Amino acid sequence: GAVVSQHPSRVICKSGTSVKIECRSLDFQATTMFWYRQFPKQSLMLMATSNEGSKATYEQGVEKDKFLINHASLTLSTLTVTSAHPEDSSFYICSARSLSGRGLAKNIQYFGAGTRLSVL
Amino acid sequence: TQLLEQSPQFLSIQEGENLTVYCNSSSVFSSLQWYRQEPGEGPVLLVTVVTGGEVKKLKRLTFQFGDARKDSSLHITAAQPGDTGLYLCAGEPDNYGQNFVFGPGTRLSVLP
Repeated sequence: GAVVSQHPSRVICKSGTSVKIECRSLDFQATTMFWYRQFPKQSLMLMATSNEGSKATYEQGVEKDKFLINHASLTLSTLTVTSAHPEDSSFYICSARSLSGRGLAKNIQYFGAGTRLSVL
Repeated sequence: TQLLEQSPQFLSIQEGENLTVYCNSSSVFSSLQWYRQEPGEGPVLLVTVVTGGEVKKLKRLTFQFGDARKDSSLHITAAQPGDTGLYLCAGEPDNYGQNFVFGPGTRLSVLP
């Protein structure tokens, strides 16, 4: 079964609205979670590293005020796309790094199922 | 430039054929992972290799980690349409801090 839950799986919103995506680690604690963006037929592009209890680390070119990340607990990170525009439409995927957990390989990233964001 | 290179980038084969996908780097990795991603889904972990020269088998899939821990290969025997997807190699380079890097992926299509 899934070890990382991502919600919602799909969201359609109007331009200018904000959208929150949740990423939860199941059965293990994740001090570090990652947010990726994936364009059609391309690989994953790391947007930011979410650290529990501290500020996220953003990759070069990613606007931190546009993509707000909160990692308030050891099992939950959220990504909020603020004032979304059509160019923000994409597939967003989170992952959580396993440090320990039943039956899980350590120090491996497990991925959520992704969120398809469509901004009209 | 990519820290991890994958080849081929695209591969279309008939059901029953064998194939090999390569993941190469000039950097040494403490471990490498292979994931498969289907359209509209997140990547699913297939295997982790950690020891140079290690070979792991997962049914019709055989994974190998290079002796120098700089490269890896994935071999699929008698491919089936269900093997269709994007295959990604990933890992943490020894000298790259905690950052996790992905290869560009190999998009495999197995035709019935």
